[in-house]
Amino acid sequence: ELKVEQNPLFLSMQEGKNYTIYCNYSTTSDRLYWYRQDPGKSLESLFVLLSNGAVKQEGRLMASLDTKARLSTLHITAAVHDLSATYFCAVGTGTYKYIFGTGTRLKVLA
Amino acid sequence: DAMVIQNPRYQVTQFGKPVTLSCSQTLNHNVMYWYQQKSSQAPKLLFHYYDKDFNNEADTPDNFQSRRPNTSFCFLDIRSPGLGDAAMYLCATSRDFNEQFFGPGTRLTVL
Repeated sequence: ELKVEQNPLFLSMQEGKNYTIYCNYSTTSDRLYWYRQDPGKSLESLFVLLSNGAVKQEGRLMASLDTKARLSTLHITAAVHDLSATYFCAVGTGTYKYIFGTGTRLKVLA
Repeated sequence: DAMVIQNPRYQVTQFGKPVTLSCSQTLNHNVMYWYQQKSSQAPKLLFHYYDKDFNNEADTPDNFQSRRPNTSFCFLDIRSPGLGDAAMYLCATSRDFNEQFFGPGTRLTVL
């Protein structure tokens, strides 16, 4: 059974600092997705990573995928308050299903 | 704009009173999903339709049913809601096994 783990679960950081969120998964997959969720809202797609070595960047966020290590990272550069949210990774299985990670609740302090 | 729409956005029901949640999409995607998300938890897949083929997750309670009358619409029926069914219900769509697009969700309260 595919398992997806994220760490940390909670992250409190100062504005202007850098940090990385990790997403580990237990079985082979080459489809990895990152989502953002604000409190009480739905999920917003951030990145789609479909091959080993894929790297995507949008503003202060950069995501990468290492399928051999079964690891994806979401790197935050020079954090700002607006990035405060919960971030989920999701891994595609072979049966049109997506298994979500536990989520990382990020709080950026001014 | 192409989108995923869920109605209602907020639903209050009584314990044991059936409720139906609706999802429609203008993306013409062939796969539609229903997720349940409880507070501070990850979304949990209940079932999905690949075209007309229904795929139920093994741990989805029998109390939850779904219908997809056509490509654009999908319904989630909760036959006898219990207090533990209070949650956000998220509908999502995808074209085959590509990126999922989520609707705004329906927050269900059970009294």
